[in-house]
This record gives sequence, structure tokens and C-alpha cells, in this order.
Amino acid sequence: GAGVSQSPRYKVAKRGQDVALRCDPISGHVSLFWYQQALGQGPEFLTYFQNEAQLDKSGLPSDRFFAERPEGSVSTLKIQRTQQEDSAVYLCASSLVYVGGHGTQYFGPGTRLLVL
Amino acid sequence: AQSVTQPDIHITVSEGASLELRCNYSYGATPYLFWYVQSPGQGLQLLLKYFSGDTLVQGIKGFEAEFKRSQSSFNLRKPSVHWSDAAEYFCAVGTSGTYKYIFGTGTRLKVLA
Repeated sequence: GAGVSQSPRYKVAKRGQDVALRCDPISGHVSLFWYQQALGQGPEFLTYFQNEAQLDKSGLPSDRFFAERPEGSVSTLKIQRTQQEDSAVYLCASSLVYVGGHGTQYFGPGTRLLVL
Repeated sequence: AQSVTQPDIHITVSEGASLELRCNYSYGATPYLFWYVQSPGQGLQLLLKYFSGDTLVQGIKGFEAEFKRSQSSFNLRKPSVHWSDAAEYFCAVGTSGTYKYIFGTGTRLKVLA
């Protein structure tokens, strides 16, 4: 079946531009996660949705980062006024289970963002 | 606080040789443990996971890992490495009642022909 898809795969932005990154989770998956992976590092948690509810946004680095999942399926991560330090790969993952379950997260291919 | 340590940043092995990638975690209760592989330009692919039960778990592509509670370790092994195994490997810990994974910094595997 179809896995997690993300678009665009690559994005080049000029410093100060706004960007929007899209994630299509596996159909029926309740939980959706965003991670940021800097070059040479492991992914770091940004935010978590259970259906349309954003239950945790503690990993978002600043108020320039905003995520939504209005219908409990597709999610968008928006970065306003991009800065060079925002350059990274942004990974989306989805999971079938609710919080507290034995959740396995399935990852998309990521969006590589380069801010010039 | 939970943490994951992958002490080896780079590992080089010859094709056909055995492989062991180390992972140590810090967490007070029984963790959920995962190994993922990431090829260049790709997302993370799940190799195997440990939730409970048998401490030796089998995964895809001939990989296995052993959970050792006394050593807080979850090392990944493969008896004979193939050139296509060259990639970056990430160990991650998850916990019951939470949802976020904590990842290690990764081990980059190079395979010599």
C-alpha cells in the first residue's frame, strides 16, 4: 500500500520567505509527527497530532513554525520568515495507534529545505 | 531525561564481514526500541523493533538486534554485510504513554567491495 508521502521533496527559499511543507500520512493513521533532521544529526521531534488535534508542539523551535492538520489527514508545516538555520530535512511520520499504544512510526521521504 | 547514544559515527566493513552497530539508551522504565536505516536522500525505513518478550528480535534484510536491560543496550547485528547495506543507521527509543521518538545521532556504514 501507499506509504507516507511528502511534498515538495526539495525546496530552496530565500531568507525571509515563507514556506509550506505537505505531508500525506498512511490512510487511516491516527497519529502524525513532524521531525527536523539537521545535517549529520538524528531526527528531532517537532510536533504531534492525534487526528486533527495538535497535542504537543513543544519541539517547534520558534513561533515562526506552525503546523496544522485540519481534517485529521493531510498536514502542513509552515515556516514563516525563513532563516538559514531552518535549513534541514523535515520528516513526517504517521502511526496507527493512539498515545499510550505500541506505536510504530512510518516515515516519509522528507522535504529537504535549503534557505539561502 | 531520555537519551540515545550511538558511539560510532562511522564504521567501515568489508563485504561479507559481520557487523555490529552499538546503541545505548537512558530511560527509567522499559523502553520501546527501534532501528531505522536511511539511504542517501531517502526517509527512514524501519529495520526492526522491540516492545516486549523475546530480547532477540529479527528484522528485515537479515538484521537482528538484542535488547540487554542490564547494559541498557540494543545493538544491531548482521552476520554478513552486503554492499547495498551502506547507509546511515539510527537507533531510537519510544516510551509507553508518550509518542515522540528520541533518536541517536546515527552511524554511517561504509562497505568495502
